[in-house]
Amino acid sequence: AQSVAQPEDQVNVAEGNPLTVKCTYSVSGNPYLFWYVQYPNRGLQFLLKYITGDNLVKGSYGFEAEFNKSQTSFHLKKPSALVSDSALYFCAVRDPILTGGGNKLTFGTGTQLKVEL
Amino acid sequence: EAQVTQNPRYLITVTGKKLTVTCSQNMNHEYMSWYRQDPGLGLRQIYYSMNVEVTDKGDVPEGYKVSRKEKRNFPLILESPSPNQTSLYFCASSLRDTGAYEQYFGPGTRLTVT
Repeated sequence: AQSVAQPEDQVNVAEGNPLTVKCTYSVSGNPYLFWYVQYPNRGLQFLLKYITGDNLVKGSYGFEAEFNKSQTSFHLKKPSALVSDSALYFCAVRDPILTGGGNKLTFGTGTQLKVEL
Repeated sequence: EAQVTQNPRYLITVTGKKLTVTCSQNMNHEYMSWYRQDPGLGLRQIYYSMNVEVTDKGDVPEGYKVSRKEKRNFPLILESPSPNQTSLYFCASSLRDTGAYEQYFGPGTRLTVT
């Protein structure tokens, strides 16, 4: 089975400060990990993914995430937050060992990021 | 522009009245999927399709049907909607069915069943 947890329902940060949105996962093998962002009244947009290779992954809009196998984590980070980063963020995992389910992703419950002036 | 489109964006209906939500992608993607989003539950997969005429159940398929007669279209059918199907629905597609490919999402359809 595959699962993902986002322990924080909401994260508040001041503009210009670094931000971290946490994600931990559980899979049988080596995971495929994704971050998506959802702005109000919009669909999810892909931010970045980890498949293999360098543990630090860079994505859209200045976001990055670090894959930590020993801690089974894939936290999303940005060095300097913007008010426009305020949105709902979803972590998702795919266990490539699992058969069936096609390209099934298991999503976390989402973390609302609020960046204030 | 590469995109996934859904129609309608908003729908209010009554219990038992059959409805269809359309989904179309213009990226020649093989894989398509339907999700529902509910507060506190994240996104849950309803059905998916790995190619034309190949569909299978996701985690929450009860009360839904799908078809994939053409590569670009993947409609979601609710034969007899019930209030517990009130939700926000997303269609998504990706190039292949292997998990390494990111999915592209439509704008969502907010369905209310009274």
